[in-house]
Amino acid sequence: GQQVMQIPQYQHVQEGEDFTTYCNSSTTLSNIQWYKQRPGGHPVFLIQLVKSGEVKKQKRLTFQFGEAKKNSSLHITATQTTDVGTYFCAGRNSSNTGKLIFGQGTTLQVKP
Amino acid sequence: DGGITQSPKYLFRKEGQNVTLSCEQNLNHDAMYWYRQDPGQGLRLIYYSQIVNDFQKGDIAEGYSVSREKKESFPLTVTSAQKNPTAFYLCASSMPYRPYEQYFGPGTRLTVT
Repeated sequence: GQQVMQIPQYQHVQEGEDFTTYCNSSTTLSNIQWYKQRPGGHPVFLIQLVKSGEVKKQKRLTFQFGEAKKNSSLHITATQTTDVGTYFCAGRNSSNTGKLIFGQGTTLQVKP
Repeated sequence: DGGITQSPKYLFRKEGQNVTLSCEQNLNHDAMYWYRQDPGQGLRLIYYSQIVNDFQKGDIAEGYSVSREKKESFPLTVTSAQKNPTAFYLCASSMPYRPYEQYFGPGTRLTVT
């Protein structure tokens, strides 16, 4: 079945350093979403990418969708302690109507 | 104040007992979902419903059951057949059939001993 792999599983950075998490799908995706889950909390939607090669920015966060629509990345510039949490990508392929397939998540720790 | 509520936040049960987790939303969303979250495994889909009185199995439906009698409610029953029920359970909702984002409830942490 369709799989979405996400790496790394954990990342520890010093405050101010950059951070990147990568997401790869075994099949072509119609769109990809990114969610953030704070420790002890629930996932919260960040953004959706739909077009091949799409790049979107939210302040210090940059999201990319690959040209082949099989991979995506989230890059955080100059991390802050408020960035701590687990970041999930979630893909949807064109053959299913509602299901999202979630990656395993990348847990980010930021040392002040 | 619109949103999704799940209750209770923590639930403890003895092995062999069925338990029902509550999920209610007032977002007027047609689609609702149940996920299970275990450490290091992300979110795995248990069941989902695109419309009232209809639901489909997700990737790990064995040992679980659901009902969707009302648009606002999508309760999940964890049966005694579920071999490893201790986990964090998340309910979500969205508009159906379109690539809309999912809104998650606060979750229920179930511990079975």
